[in-house]
Formats: sequence, structure tokens, C-alpha cells
Amino acid sequence: DTGVSQNPRHKITKRGQNVTFRCDPISEHNRLYWYRQTLGQGPEFLTYFQNEAQLEKSRLLSDRFSAERPKGSFSTLEIQRTEQGDSAMYLCASSLSERGIGTDTQYFGPGTRLTVL
Amino acid sequence: GDSVTQMEGPVTLSEEAFLTINCTYTATGYPSLFWYVQYPGEGLQLLLKATKADDKGSNKGFEATYRKETTSFHLEKGSVQVSDSAVYFCALSDRRTGRRALTFGSGTRLQVQP
Repeated sequence: DTGVSQNPRHKITKRGQNVTFRCDPISEHNRLYWYRQTLGQGPEFLTYFQNEAQLEKSRLLSDRFSAERPKGSFSTLEIQRTEQGDSAMYLCASSLSERGIGTDTQYFGPGTRLTVL
Repeated sequence: GDSVTQMEGPVTLSEEAFLTINCTYTATGYPSLFWYVQYPGEGLQLLLKATKADDKGSNKGFEATYRKETTSFHLEKGSVQVSDSAVYFCALSDRRTGRRALTFGSGTRLQVQP
């Protein structure tokens, strides 16, 4: 049973460039989440998919951010025109929603560390 | 809105000491509560969880009890080891509001000295 994987693990880019991150969830998981974590803080929610549908977006997700999960499996998070304030760890998590169970447990990937110069 | 407050770190203990990391929460509904651990250089791992009042979550010698009356979910371990050195995050999920997102505290760094 493989866990959540994320690629790349590290990304260094110049301000103004676009970047794209990929997340591969645990294979049978139908829910996928993106979070952002800055140094010394807990993760902050960005967005959430159930299968291919994007059901919730945080106010943190500005117009420069877009996420997709086209076939309900892997997901991509793109940041356009990166700014220095985008430097953070971007975490992906997945979970399995089961009928009759109210709270599903989220399992996290190792994260992609973005540095914007 | 929902929020989680954790005691500030770092918490520095000697091996075999007793550990308590305080966590209190504010939520509009009836949240589920979680403790996640982040070891150096690794991703977040679920340590334990509790889904209703008076539930006790436990794993690897760690315990936490869901206390609705005090809105708390304090993490405890009777005898810590050097390998427990990590950052611990308390989190909640408030499904009554329909949100699936986890709300995290800011984390508490634990350093265990031999």
C-alpha cells in the first residue's frame, strides 16, 4: 500500500514564473486536499476535491492559484506569476469517504517545498 | 470560525519524562479531533484521533481524551523517548458545518534529550 506521493519535492523558481505541482493520492481514495504550510505554522487549507469535482476553496486560493483533478485520480496545483510570499511547503492529503462514517482520516504526502527568489 | 490553540514550544524534556501538550479548540459544531506528528524531514503522520466527546485516542504510548466541557484534547505520554522528538499538531474537522478541511494549530516542537 503506497502512500500519498508528491512531485517535485523541491522547486526553486524566480518571481513571476509559473509552477505546477503534482499529487498522487492513495489509490482507492476519492477525496484529495491541498494545504500550504509556512515555517513555524500549521498547515492551512487551500482546496478539496471529491473525485474530479472541486467542492471547496479557501480564501487563500487567489486567482493565481488553480487546481485540477481531471480523472479523479492525481491532482495538479498551478501557481501563476509566483511571488515571494508564495514560498512555502505545499501539502497534499487524501482520504476515503465511506457511507455511514462521518469523518474520514486524511493521509498526507511529504510535500513540495517552493522557494520563490 | 473554527480554531485550534496549542501551547507554544519548544518543549524540552529528558528521556522517560512525562509529556503533556495542551490543545484547546473552538468550533461551531461537534468536531472530530486529531493529533498529527511531523518528524524532521518527513510529512505529517496521523498519531491518533477521537470523533466524539469522552472518546480516548491512543497510539504508540500517546493518549488524548476528547473533553467537550473544557473544549480540550491534550496529548499525553507517560515516558518519552529521544525518537519522539518532532513537531506535534492538534487539528479538528467540523463536519457539522459541511467543511472537510482540517483546521490545525500552530504546532508544538518537542525535544527529548538523552
